Amino acid sequence: SQTIHQWPATLVQPVGSPLSLECTVEGTSNPNLYWYRQAAGRGLQLLFYSVGIGQISSEVPQNLSASRPQDRQFILSSKKLLLSDSGFYLCAWSGGRRRLADTQYFGPGTRLTVL
Amino acid sequence: DQQVKQNSPSLSVQEGRISILNCDYTNSMFDYFLWYKKYPAEGPTFLISISSIKDKNEDGRFTVFLNKSAKHLSLHIVPSQPGDSAVYFCAASPMYSGGGADGLTFGKGTHLIIQP
Repeated sequence: SQTIHQWPATLVQPVGSPLSLECTVEGTSNPNLYWYRQAAGRGLQLLFYSVGIGQISSEVPQNLSASRPQDRQFILSSKKLLLSDSGFYLCAWSGGRRRLADTQYFGPGTRLTVL
Repeated sequence: DQQVKQNSPSLSVQEGRISILNCDYTNSMFDYFLWYKKYPAEGPTFLISISSIKDKNEDGRFTVFLNKSAKHLSLHIVPSQPGDSAVYFCAASPMYSGGGADGLTFGKGTHLIIQP
């Protein structure tokens, strides 16, 4: 069966510091991968998605970036965190059906607090 | 502009009764819909989905109804149980993507509280 891991589970970082969140998927190959953010009192907002290694699409302009160095690894980064980057970050995967919508399955999330 | 709307931030239902969660959407390109359940500090868990070729999909205690003309869907939980207390998110997507894998557009969620 497929599993999705995220780490760290919680993170407290000062403003201006760098960020690296990691997501890995097991039990499937060539998945579509996604990063979402849930800010306090709001729904989930899509940040990035990837259909393959090195292929990243950004949905929201911001100081965050994403990379996919391996098929089942998705990384969310920032060079300098802002207070507004605080939130709950979720990684998700779906089957690799390039043009057909599919159920997305979420990881446990990372709670990021920027002070 | 919010394309997926869940107008009830919270809903309180007695244990054993039916819970009905509602969702409206505005984007006519959406034709694939999902419901997720989320506990605090955890990732959302997929519950049930429906595509626009159907108007009803059932899985155990969960049934999703889709009214395409009204751009409205609802999730029915019967009977409601204490473990159902959580935030429920409605999500939508086009079934066929233009060139990549579209992310889901989520509503803001409804907090369902099941009272004993």
